[in-house]
Amino acid sequence: EAGVTQFPSHSVIEKGQTVTLRCDPISGHDNLYWYRRVMGKEIKFLLHFVKESKQDESGMPNNRFLAERTGGTYSTLKVQPAELEDSGVYFCASSPAAGGEAFFGQGTRLTVV
Amino acid sequence: AQSVTQLDSQVPVFEEAPVELRCNYSSSVSVYLFWYVQYPNQGLQLLLKYLSGSTLVKGINGFEAEFNKSQTSFHLRKPSVHISDTAEYFCAVSDVGLYGNKLVFGAGTILRVKS
Repeated sequence: EAGVTQFPSHSVIEKGQTVTLRCDPISGHDNLYWYRRVMGKEIKFLLHFVKESKQDESGMPNNRFLAERTGGTYSTLKVQPAELEDSGVYFCASSPAAGGEAFFGQGTRLTVV
Repeated sequence: AQSVTQLDSQVPVFEEAPVELRCNYSSSVSVYLFWYVQYPNQGLQLLLKYLSGSTLVKGINGFEAEFNKSQTSFHLRKPSVHISDTAEYFCAVSDVGLYGNKLVFGAGTILRVKS
């Protein structure tokens, strides 16, 4: 069974550009989470989807970040326009409907220059 | 609000020596506790978890952790480490009753095992 897959693995963009990160959760997992780790700091929660609905988006830093989960399957996280402080590793995780272990993807390393 | 403190940013240790990675948490409610490991160029992998019951929890790769409610700690231990244990380790908490919901992580501890 495939795990959580994230694309791309690395992205380098210039300040002001737009970047879209994608996450494919484990098939059948209703819960999908985005987290971010800025260099040297904690991994921080961004938001939580239950199927296609945003359950909790309290961690989203500002309105330059837009997350979607089309049809309750894969999710995208768009940063527009990107700023230098958006650099970091973005992790996606998924878990089953009834709760349980969250499985993490390998992360997308975003560098804004 | 919950918070997690990992007291050591880096822990160097020789192969076959014991190791303890320290984790303290603060929360106004009961919590679930987790340790995750990230090997180089890989995602986060669950090492072990405490949900309820016995306060001594055994995980994969010979690791164990003990939940101490009075000291609000959840230290990770291994009696004899291997080179392959070199990785970054993260302690995390979530609210009881919300297992699978959002996690609050510590800053991570890099374990460097030397030969």
